[in-house]
Amino acid sequence: KNQVEQSPQSLIILEGKNCTLQCNYTVSPFSNLRWYKQDTGRGPVSLTIMTFSENTKSNGRYTATLDADTKQSSLHITASQLSDSASYICVVSAGREYGNKLVFGAGTILRVKS
Amino acid sequence: EAGVVQSPRYKIIEKKQPVAFWCNPISGHNTLYWYLQNLGQGPELLIRYENEEAVDDSQLPKDRFSAERLKGVDSTLKIQPAELGDSAVYLCASSHRDPTTDTQYFGPGTRLTVL
Repeated sequence: KNQVEQSPQSLIILEGKNCTLQCNYTVSPFSNLRWYKQDTGRGPVSLTIMTFSENTKSNGRYTATLDADTKQSSLHITASQLSDSASYICVVSAGREYGNKLVFGAGTILRVKS
Repeated sequence: EAGVVQSPRYKIIEKKQPVAFWCNPISGHNTLYWYLQNLGQGPELLIRYENEEAVDDSQLPKDRFSAERLKGVDSTLKIQPAELGDSAVYLCASSHRDPTTDTQYFGPGTRLTVL
């Protein structure tokens, strides 16, 4: 079982609408949780990094939340644009005591339609 | 500032042939990573360097894969001989120093197709 599970696997929304992507993890303890955006044919780009003590962080129209008690994170995209079409990957850093492992989810593929 | 540079961007080879990928990290970044990414999956770590030292190569298939980072800057990843199952995108990333806190910057990747 993957230690970082993302849902949904894929999502189609209309331009201008909001959406929320989910990430559930079992990695424990952890140093931080990251969300990346990966455009087709490109490498992932960091959107947010949250430590276990933070419960929300924003980057423009992207807002990530973290509940360390339930081991859940979400990425909320507001007023979606066509350029938001990409894969969104949740990554949990397992920290020094686990050899600084970064555990990647499989990603959620988002398609924004006009 | 230039990002992480990888070459080639695409490579098509026949099975049993050797192949090499090159990565130039962001200037000043001590930590360098090689990842493998299959279609529809997240990246999987192959090897992590801190300067010249490979500090995590536990997921590197050492019978056919090798990597080096001479002088702690550029890095090459080699596969010899390539197998059909090696078809994937190979991503290089770098971070300033601390992999637990520093942002990772990824290159565009090399898409390998093994026929």
